[in-house]
Amino acid sequence: NAGVTQTPKFRILKIGQSMTLQCTQDMNHNYMYWYRQDPGMGLKLIYYSVGAGITDKGEVPNGYNVSRSTTEDFPLRLELAAPSQTSVYFCASSYLQGPVNTEAFFGQGTRLTVV
Amino acid sequence: GQQVMQIPQYQHVQEGEDFTTYCNSSTTLSNIQWYKQRPGGHPVFLIQLVKSGEVKKQKRLTFQFGEAKKNSSLHITATQTTDVGTYFCAGVDNYGQNFVFGPGTRLSVLP
Repeated sequence: NAGVTQTPKFRILKIGQSMTLQCTQDMNHNYMYWYRQDPGMGLKLIYYSVGAGITDKGEVPNGYNVSRSTTEDFPLRLELAAPSQTSVYFCASSYLQGPVNTEAFFGQGTRLTVV
Repeated sequence: GQQVMQIPQYQHVQEGEDFTTYCNSSTTLSNIQWYKQRPGGHPVFLIQLVKSGEVKKQKRLTFQFGEAKKNSSLHITATQTTDVGTYFCAGVDNYGQNFVFGPGTRLSVLP
């Protein structure tokens, strides 16, 4: 299994440009997440989804949008890139079994620089 | 909302020394998970603790979940250079929906 696949791995954007970070998983997980990690810092939740058609904001959603049209895909959209969005972005997925969530599988990350 | 804290933020040890990181949640957790992130890598799952007072071991790593299910610890015995990285705890709330990650403890091991 491929697990969680993110594209692209690296990207440089100019201020004001837009882009979509792609994330797909092949484990039939119902939960998917987007995190950002600033240098030397922890993981901050941007958005998450509990299933196709359902998304919700995390801790730092401003400047981002998501959609979940299928179980497999969870793209993250940056509409007007700003230098503050320079970060490493991780997509993750997990499966909820009753009250207990299974482990989160992370993608390799996308390193985004906004100049 | 739920907050998860970790101490220390950084730890530098000599190879062979022990290492412990502590994780505390502001709310009672359904379960807690631990992840390791190597420099330049992505977080990788280590273990999940579900029961109050639970202790699990993985070779030199010992994980504990507090009786009140609000705190946890990771202890590494006789550190090796391969243990270098950042260790994150992730608390799962009682609805089992979200992982709230702690800020992580960055471990450096000097050979």
